[in-house]
Amino acid sequence: EADIYQTPRYLVIGTGKKITLECSQTMGHDKMYWYQQDPGMELHLIHYSYGVNSTEKGDLSSESTVSRIRTEHFPLTLESARPSHTSQYLCASSESGTAIYNEQFFGPGTRLTVL
Amino acid sequence: GNSVTQMEGPVTLSEEAFLTINCTYTATGYPSLFWYVQYPGEGLQLLLKATKADDKGSNKGFEATYRKETTSFHLEKGSVQVSDSAVYFCALSASNQGGKLIFGQGTELSVKP
Repeated sequence: EADIYQTPRYLVIGTGKKITLECSQTMGHDKMYWYQQDPGMELHLIHYSYGVNSTEKGDLSSESTVSRIRTEHFPLTLESARPSHTSQYLCASSESGTAIYNEQFFGPGTRLTVL
Repeated sequence: GNSVTQMEGPVTLSEEAFLTINCTYTATGYPSLFWYVQYPGEGLQLLLKATKADDKGSNKGFEATYRKETTSFHLEKGSVQVSDSAVYFCALSASNQGGKLIFGQGTELSVKP
């Protein structure tokens, strides 16, 4: 069973607030990812990290930022939430190395609603 | 560039019906192919995978065969159950992507009793 956790599971917040979505994994994976999932179900990679102090922007531009100070922790921050940020956010991790057959393990997601 | 195309949903079937969800891909080299499933209110979980041509991935009665000649990885199940109702994602990982996955748009399956 995958040990990757996301908190909170649900968040309703007003416009302009700063929020941080937490993601932690206990598998010792070097690679971690953040996806945004729109109501049409499609997944968009917004951030990824290949290890501590490594972060990169994904394929979909996002106003959020991420940090990777510890291997197990990959939080996502929105400095000023807006209604357009309303979405489901999924965190994932995978083993390090160059193997392309390594699966990604997903957390349960955070459903964010900005009023 | 690399891409994955899935058949559009939603797909509605009666219990015990045969399921096929089509998936085709475009990629350089020899990608690995995956099917993920997302049950309502949950994250994605790996259903099956295949890492080279002609490999067959299987799990929980689902199967998919890596067909390089047709660049396809269609998901099949002989007899679906109500509990199979979920969203199914086809994905690929290629050597020029550093381990990142490219997902299809997802296919919602609803199985009625």
